[in-house]
Amino acid sequence: GESVGLHLPTLSVQEGDNSIINCAYSNSASDYFIWYKQESGKGPQFIIDIRSNMDKRQGQRVTVLLNKTVKHLSLQIAATQPGDSAVYFCAENIIGEKLTFGTGTRLTIIP
Amino acid sequence: GAVVSQHPSWVICKSGTSVKIECRSLDFQATTMFWYRQFPKQSLMLMATSNEGSKATYEQGVEKDKFLINHASLTLSTLTVTSAHPEDSSFYICSARDLVWVVGEQFFGPGTRLTVL
Repeated sequence: GESVGLHLPTLSVQEGDNSIINCAYSNSASDYFIWYKQESGKGPQFIIDIRSNMDKRQGQRVTVLLNKTVKHLSLQIAATQPGDSAVYFCAENIIGEKLTFGTGTRLTIIP
Repeated sequence: GAVVSQHPSWVICKSGTSVKIECRSLDFQATTMFWYRQFPKQSLMLMATSNEGSKATYEQGVEKDKFLINHASLTLSTLTVTSAHPEDSSFYICSARDLVWVVGEQFFGPGTRLTVL
């Protein structure tokens, strides 16, 4: 049967501040990485992606950093808003193969 | 664009009954669809990969006779939970990959909450 659910790592940030969510990935052969946002009771929503030949990519208010040496991925959200409160998942894959999701981080924006 | 829908959004059933969940790509064609299961406070776990016109590929530990997957067209995949039991209660999410596949991007549905009494 399924194991007891683990507590998600949590991060609380004051509204307007910047937040950084970290993720350690497992497969050194992965060449594509994605950050998803999941609100309660909804499916994952694409935020930003990055290929392994890059170490930084910026979107609107979000930046993803990739450190392949230590297999680390981070998501920076600038000027956080209440609507940013959600669970954030990183995902990795080798292009053409299945996605593997990380454990997730719950971000709470404090008004 | 790239919208994926699921139906129903939630379902409650009695133990022993079967439940069918539909996943549709509304504005694109999907040769490949994926079914995930998510328990509370946990991540998404891939159950199976569904390819149009062929048998689904199940992940290790997922019973193919219990979770029947049919991908009969380029816009529809169904997951049937047969003889459901309370431990099957979970959030089921599908995703689809566009026929004109861009890198590894998948588009996710809104999920279906299954509660088995």
